[in-house]
Amino acid sequence: AQSVSQHNHHVILSEAASLELGCNYSYGGTVNLFWYVQYPGQHLQLLLKYFSGDPLVKGIKGFEAEFIKSKFSFNLRKPSVQWSDTAEYFCAVNPGSYIPTFGRGTSLIVHP
Amino acid sequence: EAGVTQSPTHLIKTRGQQATLRCSPISGHTSVYWYQQALGLGLQFLLWYDEGEERNRGNFPPRFSGRQFPNYSSELNVNALELEDSALYLCASSLEGPGGYEQYFGPGTRLTVT
Repeated sequence: AQSVSQHNHHVILSEAASLELGCNYSYGGTVNLFWYVQYPGQHLQLLLKYFSGDPLVKGIKGFEAEFIKSKFSFNLRKPSVQWSDTAEYFCAVNPGSYIPTFGRGTSLIVHP
Repeated sequence: EAGVTQSPTHLIKTRGQQATLRCSPISGHTSVYWYQQALGLGLQFLLWYDEGEERNRGNFPPRFSGRQFPNYSSELNVNALELEDSALYLCASSLEGPGGYEQYFGPGTRLTVT
């Protein structure tokens, strides 16, 4: 069965630090990849997505992610985090028309 | 544009009872998905409805069921509630099936089983 692993369950950073959240998946075929974010008290919302083309994808609020097919990875990055980035981050993988599988999530706390 | 709405916000039930959760998708979206978000477990896929039909279901027992109405709204029913059913239940909608379109999530219904 397909699986999605988010290696960092809890991350604590200071403002202006760089961020990288890991996401690896097990499916071997063509996939669609997503990062969702859930800010405190808010709905889950899409941060960025990859379907095809340039493996470096830019999303909202300065986030980007790189798809490395050979490593089955889709890591999320941000060069300089802000206090407002405190949230729960979920990676999701969708193999074509099948149901997306979500990772367990990473809780990010940014100290001002 | 109104987002995905869910009701009720909170639901408290006792073990053995039934719970009914409701979801209204974004206007024009025909696909509705239900997820269970238990603490530390991420989102577990429950059910997918499209055009009034159940298209797929996750690895949950049959006491989790639902339906989609002609206006594309949906309800999730959980029978014979167990303590471990306590979780946040999220509904999401998308324009078409899950292939490539992102999902838009509602605020969730917090179900507590005592």
